[in-house]
Amino acid sequence: EAGVTQSPTHLIKTRGQQATLRCSPISGHTSVYWYQQALGLGLQFLLWYDEGEERNRGNFPPRFSGRQFPNYSSELNVNALELEDSALYLCASSLRWPLWTDYGYTFGSGTRLTVV
Amino acid sequence: TQLLEQSPQFLSIQEGENLTVYCNSSSVFSSLQWYRQEPGEGPVLLVTVVTGGEVKKLKRLTFQFGDARKDSSLHITAAQPGDTGLYLCAGENTGNQFYFGTGTSLTVIP
Repeated sequence: EAGVTQSPTHLIKTRGQQATLRCSPISGHTSVYWYQQALGLGLQFLLWYDEGEERNRGNFPPRFSGRQFPNYSSELNVNALELEDSALYLCASSLRWPLWTDYGYTFGSGTRLTVV
Repeated sequence: TQLLEQSPQFLSIQEGENLTVYCNSSSVFSSLQWYRQEPGEGPVLLVTVVTGGEVKKLKRLTFQFGDARKDSSLHITAAQPGDTGLYLCAGENTGNQFYFGTGTSLTVIP
C-alpha cells in the first residue's frame, strides 16, 4: 500500500514568490492535515481538510491557504513568501473519527521549503 | 489551542541508560498518541493510550497515560542508538483533531 506522498521533496523560492506543495493521502483516508516544522522540533498545525472542506485552521496568516480535491489529495499554497517560511512542511492523512484514534495520522516525508 | 509541553526538550544519553520523557497539559484528552520522527522522515505512530492510568509496553518502551488524562510519559529501558529521534506526543480533543506537543529530541550515543 502506498503511503502519504508529498511533492516536491525540496523547493527553493525567492522572497515574495508563491509556493505550491502537494499531498496524496493513503487510499481510503478522507482527512488531510498540513503542519509546519521549523528547526526540526515540534509541529505547528496549519490546516485540516476533510471531504473537501476546511475543518480547522491554525494560527497562520491568510497567505497560507489550501484546498482538498475530490480524490482527497490536497494542495498547500503559500503566497508572498518570507524568509521565516523556510521549514519542513509535513502532510498527514487519517481515517475519519473515531477510527483515527486507533490508527493515528500517517505522515509523508515532507517538502523542504527554502526561501532565499 | 491545546498546549502540550514536553520535557526535556533535548536529551543526550549513553547507550544502555534509561530515560523518561514527559508530556503535560492543562487540558483533558480523550486519547493520546506518541510518535517518533527520524531525520528526513515524517513522524511514525508508536502507540495510542485511551484510558486514564493505562500503561502500554512496546518492547523496551513503556507508555503511561495519566489518571486525569492530562499527561503522559514515555520510558525507555536500556536505550540503543536506534532509539535516536524526535519524540512527539499528540492529544486528541474528542471528535476534533490531535494536537502535537513541542517534542523531545533524543540522542543515544554508542
